[in-house]
Amino acid sequence: EPEVTQTPSHQVTQMGQEVILRCVPISNHLYFYWYRQILGQKVEFLVSFYNNEISEKSEIFDDQFSVERPDGSNFTLKIRSTKLEDSAMYFCASSEETGQVVLPQHFGDGTRLSIL
Amino acid sequence: KQEVTQIPAALSVPEGENLVLNCSFTDSAIYNLQWFRQDPGKGLTSLLLIQSSQREQTSGRLNASLDKSSGRSTLYIAASQPGDSATYLCAARDNYGQNFVFGPGTRLSVLP
Repeated sequence: EPEVTQTPSHQVTQMGQEVILRCVPISNHLYFYWYRQILGQKVEFLVSFYNNEISEKSEIFDDQFSVERPDGSNFTLKIRSTKLEDSAMYFCASSEETGQVVLPQHFGDGTRLSIL
Repeated sequence: KQEVTQIPAALSVPEGENLVLNCSFTDSAIYNLQWFRQDPGKGLTSLLLIQSSQREQTSGRLNASLDKSSGRSTLYIAASQPGDSATYLCAARDNYGQNFVFGPGTRLSVLP
């Protein structure tokens, strides 16, 4: 069964450094998402992406964050200048939505980001 | 703003028991609701998706129901097995946007 893949599985970065998290969504999916989960807390929505642009973003997704689909397969989340509070598990998800039919979001296994 | 809660926070049952997990949401104008399973240190596995026009969905031993008017969804697990041990999350997507609002999850332990 096709799956969403994320790399790396664990990223350790010094505070203030830039980090890029990578995701390969399922190939025929059109919508892409990033979520994060701080240890012991709820999963939180960050951003959704469709047709090469952001379709929705949360309050968490400030100017330090950006997303990009640099080619036909990858979907990336960049954090420009990391802070300690960015430490979390980051999940990528994708879904196939056609017209009125809404299909489930499929999640990757996540990237654990640790900011030192 | 949509808020999603789940009770109980944790549940421990003997193998073979039928059980119900509860999910509540504050804004009944939801587009759909999805149930996920999360194993420790892992991502989310989609279990069932219920559209706003549906009352329930079934997959194997799992049955999810949706009552928009009362702001509730339940996940019923029949004949529980130790392999069902995980955290179960519900997430509601409202009519206004793309994102899911997640509940805090119910941590289920099925004892052999």
